[in-house]
Amino acid sequence: GESVGLHLPTLSVQEGDNSIINCAYSNSASDYFIWYKQESGKGPQFIIDIRSNMDKRQGQRVTVLLNKTVKHLSLQIAATQPGDSAVYFCAVTMNSGGYQKVTFGTGTKLQVIP
Amino acid sequence: EAQVTQNPRYLITVTGKKLTVTCSQNMNHEYMSWYRQDPGLGLRQIYYSMNVEVTDKGDVPEGYKVSRKEKRNFPLILESPSPNQTSLYFCASRKTDTQYFGPGTRLTVL
Repeated sequence: GESVGLHLPTLSVQEGDNSIINCAYSNSASDYFIWYKQESGKGPQFIIDIRSNMDKRQGQRVTVLLNKTVKHLSLQIAATQPGDSAVYFCAVTMNSGGYQKVTFGTGTKLQVIP
Repeated sequence: EAQVTQNPRYLITVTGKKLTVTCSQNMNHEYMSWYRQDPGLGLRQIYYSMNVEVTDKGDVPEGYKVSRKEKRNFPLILESPSPNQTSLYFCASRKTDTQYFGPGTRLTVL
């Protein structure tokens, strides 16, 4: 199976600073990783993804880093804004018997201090 | 607009009273699933469906039923709700790898 953890429950960041949110997984067979943003009262929203054949992927103000050696991935948000305040969690996918098994982390609540 | 919708968004009910939470997607996705989200736990999959008339249990299926009679709809049925089913429920759909989630249904079972 797979377990996903090592989220900090809460991260407080000054507006304009960079944020780094971390996630660890246990199964080296996991091959697809997604970061989601969940605002209060809303469903999770896709931010960025990365496959196991890459170690870095960049989007608009966001970067995901994947370290397969230590089974760790991180989400970096540049120039954090108040609108970035939300819970962020990773989803780790592994093929299991022809079916994609997805395991979700518990999430880190990002609080942006104006 | 591509979206997943759920109804109702909020529901308070009593133990044993059957209820259905509807889910609909307009993206023609084959794969749909239901999750519950509880404090301190990640999203846990209840049931999923690979296509019409094809459903299977996820990690926490006990006390739930689903049906998939048409591609766009995937209702979640609680035949006899109990207080431990008080939770925040999300429906999701996907075509390839990325799941799109509905806005959630907050269910309280008294």
